[in-house]
Parts: sequence; structure tokens; C-alpha cells
Amino acid sequence: GENVEQHPSTLSVQEGDSAVIKCTYSDSASNYFPWYKQELGKRPQLIIDIRSNVGEKKDQRIAVTLNKTAKHFSLHITETQPEDSAVYFCAASQYGNKLVFGAGTILRVKS
Amino acid sequence: SAVISQKPSRDICQRGTSLTIQCQVDSQVTMMFWYRQQPGQSLTLIATANQGSEATYESGFVIDKFPISRPNLTFSTLTVSNMSPEDSSIYLCSVVIGTGRTFFGPGTRLTVL
Repeated sequence: GENVEQHPSTLSVQEGDSAVIKCTYSDSASNYFPWYKQELGKRPQLIIDIRSNVGEKKDQRIAVTLNKTAKHFSLHITETQPEDSAVYFCAASQYGNKLVFGAGTILRVKS
Repeated sequence: SAVISQKPSRDICQRGTSLTIQCQVDSQVTMMFWYRQQPGQSLTLIATANQGSEATYESGFVIDKFPISRPNLTFSTLTVSNMSPEDSSIYLCSVVIGTGRTFFGPGTRLTVL
């Protein structure tokens, strides 16, 4: 089955800097890669996703890149703000099916 | 997205008892799943709740411990049976909507004493 690895486990950045979180997946059949943000005590919230027919997707300060050959994808957050502090999870699936999650990254943005 | 609700939002239970968690969606969805999130950990899939048939369980999860019902396309229940302190977790239902994206319910925080 699918296995998703996520790095780093914790990431501290200064406000205004960029943050990058990386994930690798094992199942070449996976074709959908969402990212979730989870604030303390709240449900995971979908922030951006990408399908395997696209190499990059951007939404304001957030972007995701996908390298199908290497089976890895990354989340990029630019101009970080204190409200970006949260736990971020990557996931992989076959589109519309069950998600397999990475272990999560705790992002701390220091002001 | 979809509006997803869960009941109860939290509960404290004694070991050996069972708790049933409800998940309600405001629209019909084909795919519905149950996840567990242990303290400080990631999300682990328990099972796929299949409408009108038995749930499909992931490795490490069994029907006797986590029976699931899915009587229609908007509702599902997860029961945590014969609970022990190791079952203390957040239990989340999730649905896949028409765009293929997955959204989560607010979760049920379970503490077993």
C-alpha cells in the first residue's frame, strides 16, 4: 500500500521568510496530493491540492510542486505570518479515494 | 465543500464501555471514511464506510472493535467497543465531495479512563 514520508517534523521560521515542507510517496498509482493545515483543537483544513497531470499550483502565498518521476511533492509558503503557525499534513491518494497521510510538520512562525 | 457534523464533540468514558459516534453530512456523498488521530500524531484511516454494505477496514482495525454503519448517503456511525485508555484519540469522519476533495468533520475527542 501507499506510504507517505514527510520532512521536517518541525520547522521554525522568522515572519516574512519562506517555509518549505517536503513529502515523498511510494505508490506510483497515486495521482492526487492534498495538503491540510490543522490548528490546535480544530479539524484538518484543506489548503491546496494538486493532481498528477500538473507540475505546480499556486494560490496566493501557497504553492505546491510535484515531481512524479521522483515521487515527491512539496508545499511552499512565502511571506510567512504568525497565523501560518500550525501543523501541516501532506497526503496521497488515488483521486476521490482514501487518503494516506504523512506524519505532519509543526510550523512555527516567529514574529 | 460540505457541512459535516459529528456527535458527540467530546466524551469521557470508563474502560470496558462502548461509545457510538455519529457523522452527518448536509448532502449525499458516495465516499465516507473514519480516521483516528492519536494525541500529537497524524491521521490514520480506520475504515471506509460503505453505504448498504459492510465497511472496509484497514490493516490493524477490526469490525468487532470498530463496528461501522452507513444506512444512507448522508449518515454514518462509528462505535468504539470495549474501550481501553489506548483508545483515547480524536475520531474524525471525512467525506469526498463532487470535486474529489476530502473534507473532515469537527472530530470527537474521546478520553478513556
